[in-house]
Amino acid sequence: DAGVIQSPRHEVTEMGQEVTLRCKPISGHNSLFWYRQTMMRGLELLIYFNNNVPIDDSGMPEDRFSAKMPNASFSTLKIQPSEPRDSAVYFCASSSSQLSETQYFGPGTRLLVL
Amino acid sequence: SQQGEEDPQALSIQEGENATMNCSYKTSINNLQWYRQNSGRGLVHLILIRSNEREKHSGRLRVTLDTSKKSSSLLITASRAADTASYFCATVIYNQGGKLIFGQGTELSVKP
Repeated sequence: DAGVIQSPRHEVTEMGQEVTLRCKPISGHNSLFWYRQTMMRGLELLIYFNNNVPIDDSGMPEDRFSAKMPNASFSTLKIQPSEPRDSAVYFCASSSSQLSETQYFGPGTRLLVL
Repeated sequence: SQQGEEDPQALSIQEGENATMNCSYKTSINNLQWYRQNSGRGLVHLILIRSNEREKHSGRLRVTLDTSKKSSSLLITASRAADTASYFCATVIYNQGGKLIFGQGTELSVKP
């Protein structure tokens, strides 16, 4: 059974460019989470969805960040325009049933904004 | 500040020794989870302990939870070089919709 799939694994872009990160959760999971990890701030929850509906986006840094989940098997996190301070590793995770249960993480997307 | 704070921030031991990591949190929780992250990888779930449980075992892992002290510990017995990783505790806060709040992690180095 495939785990959480994220693409791309690495992204290097220039400041001002649009960046789109993609995630495919584990089949059958109905909760999806986007996290950002940096040395300074650790692992931060950006947004999570339950049954494709955004439940809590209080962690989204600012309006430059947006996330969508058009169906149960796909989600995107978009940064427009990107800034150097957005450089981080972005993880997607999914879980089944209730929000408080085990989360399964993808391998992450390492983003570098120059 | 972080809901979960781990101690120590870094731990270096010899193979075969036991490793103990501690986690403290501030508010009431539904459950507490421990995750491992190898360098450059995603997090992997290790164990979940619910607020009404006091101790849980999984292989060489032992987790305790003291809700009166708002703390948890993770013990790895007979450590191996492959246990080298960062370990994070994550709490599910009672009244915040079930989302996980991660601590800053303990970086464990097991020397062969």
